[in-house]
Amino acid sequence: GAGVSQSPRYKVAKRGQDVALRCDPISGHVSLFWYQQALGQGPEFLTYFQNEAQLDKSGLPSDRFFAERPEGSVSTLKIQRTQQEDSAVYLCASSLVRDSLNEKLFFGSGTQLSVL
Amino acid sequence: EDQVTQSPEALRLQEGESSSLNCSYTVSGLRGLFWYRQDPGKGPEFLFTLYSAGEEKEKERLKATLTKKESFLHITAPKPEDSATYLCAVRSGGYQKVTFGIGTKLQVIP
Repeated sequence: GAGVSQSPRYKVAKRGQDVALRCDPISGHVSLFWYQQALGQGPEFLTYFQNEAQLDKSGLPSDRFFAERPEGSVSTLKIQRTQQEDSAVYLCASSLVRDSLNEKLFFGSGTQLSVL
Repeated sequence: EDQVTQSPEALRLQEGESSSLNCSYTVSGLRGLFWYRQDPGKGPEFLFTLYSAGEEKEKERLKATLTKKESFLHITAPKPEDSATYLCAVRSGGYQKVTFGIGTKLQVIP
């Protein structure tokens, strides 16, 4: 595709509701990342996939956060029982090369989650 | 744990007024320092990767430099379209995780 696509663009949830955020990476990109960006802050790492394998989930803030990439392309970030502190922009990024540690990331425009 | 500190947090320049943004970092084994640009409502967009002290890279009015402790993003004769938040990030060791700073919000006034 032309770029990383994320949906929905905006999501409003009531506290306690479950949400699912979708990421379509650039076709053929092996690596996929999820970041959380609070207002006025830099992106904070959540988790990393190499194809379908979740190799690093050290940044997930609690067990309410779950991510998957079952076929090594589209990824979904799920947040259960949302809390107000979950309000943020969730960014997805992909990169082409698996083994290069210096490969640049291509970011989507993000999903802005507001929990009321 | 990797740390990235950017200064200033905000910078307002007149069009044509050159300046520099600072990124100080603490990592165990730098494997790449990145600069990204982020426009409101958009995801970060890649600008540069620097690998070792002394390295410099340029793109239009932007020039990035790297020392063992910090990186600078020099902006020469900026234009209003350079207004954005500039993010610095590092990757260390054998990890894929990239750690970002808080960013510098640049406003260039015509």
